[in-house]
Amino acid sequence: AQTVTQSQPEMSVQEAETVTLSCTYDTSESDYYLFWYKQPPSRQMILVIRQEAYKQQNATENRFSVNFQKAAKSFSLKISDSQLGDAAMYFCAYRETSGTYKYIFGTGTRLKVLA
Amino acid sequence: GAVVSQHPSWVICKSGTSVKIECRSLDFQATTMFWYRQFPKQSLMLMATSNEGSKATYEQGVEKDKFLINHASLTLSTLTVTSAHPEDSSFYICSGGGGPNEQFFGPGTRLTVL
Repeated sequence: AQTVTQSQPEMSVQEAETVTLSCTYDTSESDYYLFWYKQPPSRQMILVIRQEAYKQQNATENRFSVNFQKAAKSFSLKISDSQLGDAAMYFCAYRETSGTYKYIFGTGTRLKVLA
Repeated sequence: GAVVSQHPSWVICKSGTSVKIECRSLDFQATTMFWYRQFPKQSLMLMATSNEGSKATYEQGVEKDKFLINHASLTLSTLTVTSAHPEDSSFYICSGGGGPNEQFFGPGTRLTVL
């Protein structure tokens, strides 16, 4: 069965600095999707960035980028120029590309941004 | 992105009563919707996969008779917590649509059982 692990329960970063959140996963599949979701205090899940496993190029979305290491089954999120609004819970998620397409979420990392 | 709504956003009920939570896709049709449960400061745990016109698929450890799921139309899935008890108090989130590389999440429903 697939698993997703986030080893950092909490991280802090100074405003305008860069922070990297870690995520590892386990799967026997060769094709899948990986995501980072942000959950602010409102609890609404917000998609931050996604990566398709068959694409070698790391995804980027403005200040957010990932380091996808398929062989190592690692999928870290880098947030550059951190802003106060980035403070939230961040969940790494794996999604299969067949069957029910269900998500498997990691345990989350709480990001604090210090002014 | 597409919009998923949930109703109610917060419900308080007495122990032993049943509570229905609605999940609607407002601008797309969803043949499949997912229901998650999230305890405070924890991750989203998939409870079941709701399939339009057929029975839901429940994850291991989730009581089918406790959490009744109905997906009668392409825009509405409902989760009914039957004979709710305080341990059922949690945040329930649904999601649907978007294909394999995207999913739209509802805003969640906070259930408090007294």
